[in-house]
Amino acid sequence: GAGVSQSPSNKVTEKGKDVELRCDPISGHTALYWYRQSLGQGLEFLIYFQGNSAPDKSGLPSDRFSAERTGGSVSTLTIQRTQQEDSAVYLCASSRGVAGGGGTQYFGPGTRLTVL
Amino acid sequence: AQTVTQSQPEMSVQEAETVTLSCTYDTSENNYYLFWYKQPPSRQMILVIRQEAYKQQNATENRFSVNFQKAAKSFSLKISDSQLGDTAMYFCAFQVGTSYGKLTFGQGTILTVHP
Repeated sequence: GAGVSQSPSNKVTEKGKDVELRCDPISGHTALYWYRQSLGQGLEFLIYFQGNSAPDKSGLPSDRFSAERTGGSVSTLTIQRTQQEDSAVYLCASSRGVAGGGGTQYFGPGTRLTVL
Repeated sequence: AQTVTQSQPEMSVQEAETVTLSCTYDTSENNYYLFWYKQPPSRQMILVIRQEAYKQQNATENRFSVNFQKAAKSFSLKISDSQLGDTAMYFCAFQVGTSYGKLTFGQGTILTVHP
């Protein structure tokens, strides 16, 4: 089937604006992850959704970042009042959420966010 | 907390030769998983190989194999018969063996395969 898709592919915004990044996971995958990839920080975990459980938000860098997952499928990552340090590639991944861990995470192509 | 270290920022190899990428990690967990992901210029992260910590046998996938040394907390990736398409950034990643599935990544190694 289709892989993980993300939109937009690239987003340029002005400092202070809000942005929404979308992720469509692989059908049937119950676990969904957001990561951020930047030159200075490498690959960082942001947030994790597993089924109907409360999301793990421990990686969100500030309260300007939030994410939701509707109907156990599509997820939206929202960044409010964007700052230049938010410029990065935002990667989404999904997996079957295997009990006991180890489920392979399949990544989308990412959204490159540039904050001017 | 877990940490993953890749000490080689860049590596290069001639086509058809063998190259080994290093990865070490630190954890107090006994049950965990290790992964190598490849990220070509297209940005798409692709799983290369996966290793369960409870398995002593090293994982292999065609030209890719790992040397997993649990006591030394080392997890190196060997690429045999290197191909131009292997040129990419390679990330080593760690996952605790529970349903809490986040990956902790190393800094990455840029591998260039020369013709």
